[in-house]
Amino acid sequence: RKEVEQDPGPFNVPEGATVAFNCTYSNSASQSFFWYRQDCRKEPKLLMSVYSSGNEDGRFTAQLNRASQYISLLIRDSKLSDSATYLCVVRAPPGQGGKLIFGQGTELSVKP
Amino acid sequence: DTGVSQNPRHKITKRGQNVTFRCDPISEHNRLYWYRQTLGQGPEFLTYFQNEAQLEKSRLLSDRFSAERPKGSFSTLEIQRTEQGDSAMYLCTIRGENTIYFGEGSWLTVV
Repeated sequence: RKEVEQDPGPFNVPEGATVAFNCTYSNSASQSFFWYRQDCRKEPKLLMSVYSSGNEDGRFTAQLNRASQYISLLIRDSKLSDSATYLCVVRAPPGQGGKLIFGQGTELSVKP
Repeated sequence: DTGVSQNPRHKITKRGQNVTFRCDPISEHNRLYWYRQTLGQGPEFLTYFQNEAQLEKSRLLSDRFSAERPKGSFSTLEIQRTEQGDSAMYLCTIRGENTIYFGEGSWLTVV
């Protein structure tokens, strides 16, 4: 079982749609959680950190459920420019090196 | 400016050749990480350094791979006797106080 698992893609949605990505992680000691966006052949870029209380940044809302070890990302009113691969990322605890553990990514394609 | 410079950005090499990638953080950071990303997958951890000490190596880092960070600043990742399965993007990251900086990656194609 992979340490971080994401919904398989690709997601093909029309402009203006709401799309949700889900992710689960296996290490209950993990303390930091993120969503990254990656454009084709580019490095990942931080979209947002994810907090237990849930957090919102414009059209993007992230949720964390520690009990079920589940992370989600909701994109409202999707734009063509949202087309990218979205990576669910968990940081290993400090005692385990603090490395980033990435999901395989979910590809989103927003169509006109 | 990503805070991390990686070179070369692209490398095409013949199978069996050795290649070396370099990662230069623009400022001092204690922790430096290397990841590998193949097509259709997320990045996978390879190894990390705390200053010049290599503290962890993934099982993905076969004996053909070696990484160094001799002065605790820049780092190199060498792949010996490259195989087609080594074709990937090699990413370097450094960990700031509250931020993780990514390099733009080095793309390797083994033909």
